[in-house]
Amino acid sequence: NAGVTQTPKFQVLKTGQSMTLQCAQDMNHEYMSWYRQDPGMGLRLIHYSVGAGITDQGEVPNGYNVSRSTTEDFPLRLLSAAPSQTSVYFCASSYVGIAGYEQYFGPGTRLTVT
Amino acid sequence: AQSVTQLDSQVPVFEEAPVELRCNYSSSVSVYLFWYVQYPNQGLQLLLKYLSGSTLVKGINGFEAEFNKSQTSFHLRKPSVHISDTAEYFCAVSDLTGGGNKLTFGTGTQLKVEL
Repeated sequence: NAGVTQTPKFQVLKTGQSMTLQCAQDMNHEYMSWYRQDPGMGLRLIHYSVGAGITDQGEVPNGYNVSRSTTEDFPLRLLSAAPSQTSVYFCASSYVGIAGYEQYFGPGTRLTVT
Repeated sequence: AQSVTQLDSQVPVFEEAPVELRCNYSSSVSVYLFWYVQYPNQGLQLLLKYLSGSTLVKGINGFEAEFNKSQTSFHLRKPSVHISDTAEYFCAVSDLTGGGNKLTFGTGTQLKVEL
């Protein structure tokens, strides 16, 4: 089991560029989510999905798009990068409907927007 | 909506000393409570969780936490810390919305264990 994998580990973008952060899990988890982590702010939920074809917004969705075409993959797209999107991004997955089930986190992607 | 407050951003402690990391939450409904640990340059790992039942919850690496409903707290404790416990610790809550999976995190407490 690879668990939750994220690529790339590091990325530098210029303002206005677009890119996709990849997330994949091999645990057959229905629930997947994206968080961003900023110093002194903890982790904030960007988008989440409770299954293939179903996505919803979290606390800070602006500037990000997601889709869920398969159970395994949940990519996060930045359409036009801004310096405010400089952050560390974490993907997580878990079973759905089992309240309080452990969420498994990926190793993170460190994004810098100049 | 719920919120989580971790009042201590940094907690320095000597090795083998006890430690308590504080967490208070606010919610209008019943919640589930979690502590996650993040080692440098890694993702988060679950330490322990409270869903129901006994208010004293034991987790990995010798940590435990006590749920106090009247004080809306879920403080994390360890009787004797080790250098390897140096990490950032996050308290989180979820409720039954979204199937109970949506987590709201506190801002984190950096635990630094010194010799």
